[in-house]
Amino acid sequence: GESVGLHLPTLSVQEGDNSIINCAYSNSASDYFIWYKQESGKGPQFIIDIRSNMDKRQGQRVTVLLNKTVKHLSLQIAATQPGDSAVYFCAGRYSSASKIIFGSGTRLSIRP
Amino acid sequence: DVKVTQSSRYLVKRTGEKVFLECVQDMDHENMFWYRQDPGLGLRLIYFSYDVKMKEKGDIPEGYSVSREKKERFSLILESASTNQTSMYLCASSGQGPYEQYFGPGTRLTVT
Repeated sequence: GESVGLHLPTLSVQEGDNSIINCAYSNSASDYFIWYKQESGKGPQFIIDIRSNMDKRQGQRVTVLLNKTVKHLSLQIAATQPGDSAVYFCAGRYSSASKIIFGSGTRLSIRP
Repeated sequence: DVKVTQSSRYLVKRTGEKVFLECVQDMDHENMFWYRQDPGLGLRLIYFSYDVKMKEKGDIPEGYSVSREKKERFSLILESASTNQTSMYLCASSGQGPYEQYFGPGTRLTVT
């Protein structure tokens, strides 16, 4: 069936370094992907999205890269800060107009 | 500012009780969703609704039902709560098309 997963359950980076969080998906027909950030005790918050006709999209300190050939996307966070500590989910849209499937999440921790 | 609110942040119920979780959005979104979130399993879709009085089963609908009588409100019902329904429940809404979902803060339900 369709799946969206994350490569690593945890990631630890030094404050100020760049973070790269990876995600793989199984359905080549998926046309829309989203990255969410979930802080402790809160619901997921939208970070950035990308449509399948794009390879790259940039936001404020974040970049999402989409490689459709290998069905992989990544979230890059520049100059990681303590406030970036959270669980990060990728999600992909499949078949249904609005239903999306979430990966299991990567917990990002920041070393001072 | 977009807003999705959930009726309770924390809820403790006894096995066999009927439980209502309510979600309200103020963005005039057509689509609303209920997820449960468990450690290591990510977000799993229980039910979603794409219009008033319309509903579709998600990946784990067993033991749950939903109601959407008004566009802004989507209720999740546990007819007879069981201990394996102890979880974090997240409500979300989105507009039509490939748009991101906006999440509420979650309800942590404990069934004893």
